[in-house]
Amino acid sequence: QLQLQESGPGLVKPSETLSLTCTVSGGSISSSSYYWGWIRQPPGKGLEWIGSIYYSGSTYYNPSLKSRVTISVDTSKNQFSLKLSSVTAADTAVYYCARWEEGFDPWGQGTLVTVSS
Amino acid sequence: EIVMTQSPATLSVSPGERATLSCRASQSVSSNLAWYQQKPGQAPRLLIYGASTRATGIPARFSGSGSGTEFTLTISSLQSEDFAVYYCQQYNNWPPTWTFGQGTKVEIK
Repeated sequence: QLQLQESGPGLVKPSETLSLTCTVSGGSISSSSYYWGWIRQPPGKGLEWIGSIYYSGSTYYNPSLKSRVTISVDTSKNQFSLKLSSVTAADTAVYYCARWEEGFDPWGQGTLVTVSS
Repeated sequence: EIVMTQSPATLSVSPGERATLSCRASQSVSSNLAWYQQKPGQAPRLLIYGASTRATGIPARFSGSGSGTEFTLTISSLQSEDFAVYYCQQYNNWPPTWTFGQGTKVEIK
């Protein structure tokens, strides 16, 4: 059974870079036809797609975040990562990773990242 | 950019009753539409993909319909475990982008 797990610092200072990793178990991240995505949810608010990476390494980003986002994949570790630069309090959210085939499924449990000095 | 609009924001329903949730796209997304259920403190769960196909393990009381710009999620007879927030989400083929609606909260009447 495929499982995803987010990891990374829970507290990031304003203007710094948020870095998270999603570890995939129970399957290969290199499997064809899948996208691997990052989605976030500010406290009490809705879901926002951040970006996705195809198994081939091609990346696609939300236009509203594109200038600050980098998603990469490490097939040797079966992981993909998110970097979000120049963070502000508005980037405080639960960050989820998920696999896309015809829907985002499964999802990681999510990790809360707070931006505060 | 495709904008997804869900209505109503909150739906009050009694257990056993039918719930009908709507999702509208600002331009045609064909059948590239998914629905998710999210309960407090949990990650979203995929319910429907391709506008009308139930994901694995999803009960038959959940059904999706629509294409183009108008979509509906119907819960035929609400169970206690169905009270949650529901999100629609579109997928654009090229370039690949994903957009979520703002959510509909289904609460106990």
